[in-house]
Amino acid sequence: GAVVSQHPSWVICKSGTSVKIECRSLDFQATTMFWYRQFPKQSLMLMATSNEGSKATYEQGVEKDKFLINHASLTLSTLTVTSAHPEDSSFYICSARATSGGTHTDTQYFGPGTRLTVL
Amino acid sequence: QKEVEQNSGPLSVPEGAIASLNCTYSDRGSQSFFWYRQYSGKSPELIMFIYSNGDKEDGRFTAQLNKASQYVSLLIRDSQPSDSATYLCAVNYFGNEKLTFGTGTRLTIIP
Repeated sequence: GAVVSQHPSWVICKSGTSVKIECRSLDFQATTMFWYRQFPKQSLMLMATSNEGSKATYEQGVEKDKFLINHASLTLSTLTVTSAHPEDSSFYICSARATSGGTHTDTQYFGPGTRLTVL
Repeated sequence: QKEVEQNSGPLSVPEGAIASLNCTYSDRGSQSFFWYRQYSGKSPELIMFIYSNGDKEDGRFTAQLNKASQYVSLLIRDSQPSDSATYLCAVNYFGNEKLTFGTGTRLTIIP
C-alpha cells in the first residue's frame, strides 16, 4: 500500500515555457502533499506544503507565482513551473502524507520524482 | 531552529557485516522518526519509522530511538551490496506536518 505516482517521470522543455507535474496517491487519500526539489548531490529541499482545498504554503525563498501548486482532490496535487529557465532544471519529488488515525504514525510516502531539464 | 544531523560519510562496510547509521536531532518535542533510503537518481523510499524509545525491528533493519539522548539509529544486519545508498533520517513533531531531514549518510557495502 501507500503508493504515490508522478507524471511525467522526465520532461525537457524550452526556456520560457511552463511545465505541469502531477502527483497522485494511488491507494490512499492524502489531505497533505509536499513538493521537494533536489539538485545533484544535494539534500532534499522542501518547496511547499499542499493542502487539499486550500492555498499551498511555500517555504521561504520559493516564489509562489513561479511554482504554482493546486491540490484539487484528496489524491491529486499538481506543480506548475511557469516560465521555466535553465536554473529550474532539477529533480522534483512529491510526497503524500498518509494518516493512520493515530498521533504518531503520519508518514510521508514519496513519488518517483520528475526530472526537469530546461534548455 | 530544529536540526537533524547525520554524518555524511561515505561509510564503507564489508558485505555481511552490520552497518550502523546514526542521527541526532535538536528538538526535544520531536515525535516521530523516519529512515528513508535513496538510491542515486531515485526518490526516497521509506524503510521504517519509530516513535517509542527502544528498538524496532523489521527484517534486516533495526531502528533504535533514545529520546533522552536525542538520537535515532538504523542498523542493517547482513549488509548486501544492494544496501549501498544514501540513508536519510527525518523527524517531525506533533502538530507539524513537515518532516525535517538530515543531509543523509552515504553507505557503501563492499563485496
